[in-house]
Amino acid sequence: AQTVTQSQPEMSVQEAETVTLSCTYDTSESDYYLFWYKQPPSRQMILVIRQEAYKQQNATENRFSVNFQKAAKSFSLKISDSQLGDAAMYFCAYRGTNSGYALNFGKGTSLLVTP
Amino acid sequence: DTEVTQTPKHLVMGMTNKKSLKCEQHMGHRAMYWYKQKAKKPPELMFVYSYEKLSINESVPSRFSPECPNSSLLNLHLHALQPEDSALYLCASSPSGMGYNEQFFGPGTRLTVL
Repeated sequence: AQTVTQSQPEMSVQEAETVTLSCTYDTSESDYYLFWYKQPPSRQMILVIRQEAYKQQNATENRFSVNFQKAAKSFSLKISDSQLGDAAMYFCAYRGTNSGYALNFGKGTSLLVTP
Repeated sequence: DTEVTQTPKHLVMGMTNKKSLKCEQHMGHRAMYWYKQKAKKPPELMFVYSYEKLSINESVPSRFSPECPNSSLLNLHLHALQPEDSALYLCASSPSGMGYNEQFFGPGTRLTVL
């Protein structure tokens, strides 16, 4: 079974600074998909960024980018120019092509943004 | 329309009540999901419907009964729940069950069982 590990239960960043959230995963599959979801206090899960394992280029969405290291099975999220609205729980998720429909979530990292 | 809607937003019920949660999407997605999420925990998959057929039941107790009347609508019928079933229930949908497809989540129903 695939496991997703987020080793940072909580992180803090000052407004306008950069923060990196870490995620590692364990899998025997060669083709899969990785996601970062954001869940603010309103509890709506919002997709932040996605990465296909077969793509070597790291995904970028505005202030959000990932560092995908396939060999190391690492998928970190970098948030640049942090804003107060970035405060949320961030979940890393894995979805394999052979493992059915389910998203395997990490335990989450709670991000606090201070003025 | 690019959203998943869920009703009600909040629900309080007793252990002998019967209630239903509703989820709707009009994005033409053919896979729909129910997740249960306890506070400060990740979502846990409960059920998956693909093309209106139940594909996955993650060993969920029978007091939870899913139903997919059509491709846009997903219900979760609740009966004889326990206080430990209190949680946020999230619905999600994706274009189809497999592959790259992103899952779009609804805002959730916060359920309290007394």
